Amino acid sequence: AQKVTQAQTEISVVEKEDVTLDCVYETRDTTYYLFWYKQPPSGELVFLIRRNSFDEQNEISGRYSWNFQKSTSSFNFTITASQVVDSAVYFCALRGYSTLTFGKGTMLLVSP
Amino acid sequence: KAGVTQTPRYLIKTRGQQVTLSCSPISGHRSVSWYQQTPGQGLQFLFEYFSETQRNKGNFPGRFSGRQFSNSRSEMNVSTLELGDSALYLCASSSGGVGETQYFGPGTRLLVL
Repeated sequence: AQKVTQAQTEISVVEKEDVTLDCVYETRDTTYYLFWYKQPPSGELVFLIRRNSFDEQNEISGRYSWNFQKSTSSFNFTITASQVVDSAVYFCALRGYSTLTFGKGTMLLVSP
Repeated sequence: KAGVTQTPRYLIKTRGQQVTLSCSPISGHRSVSWYQQTPGQGLQFLFEYFSETQRNKGNFPGRFSGRQFSNSRSEMNVSTLELGDSALYLCASSSGGVGETQYFGPGTRLLVL
């Protein structure tokens, strides 16, 4: 069975601070895919990034960056210079050969 | 390209009734998945359809069922509603490959009284 753990339940920061959301996963599948989604108060899950298990290249996209480390089974997500509009619940998800499994989510609150 | 649409957006039912939720995927997508989101259990997978066939099924009772039509649109049905079925039901579509990104609709908020 596969599992995704987001140990941080809630994070509060002040605007312009950098924030990192942690994600640790477990799977026995040799090929798998990792995702981050954002869920604002409206409820819709918004796709942010997808990484496959054989691509450990980390990336920066605007204020977002991702750190995928297979050795520690972690797929962390960082927001640089956070903004109030970043306030949302962030979900890490894993898909191996079967279904997409989500973590419990981390609520990020960015205050002005 | 239009996103995933779900109807209705909000629904109030009473215990014992049944409900049907609808999902229209992104044009060209052949896979539709359904999830239930509750504060206590988080996001839980219900089922996945690809080309009108159920490809995967989550650990939910038989009261939860679904189907997919030839145009890839999907419906899910919950019979004999229970209070615990109150949740946000999310539909997602993808091109169909196992690792392909799933794009989510706005969800249907179901309240069972």
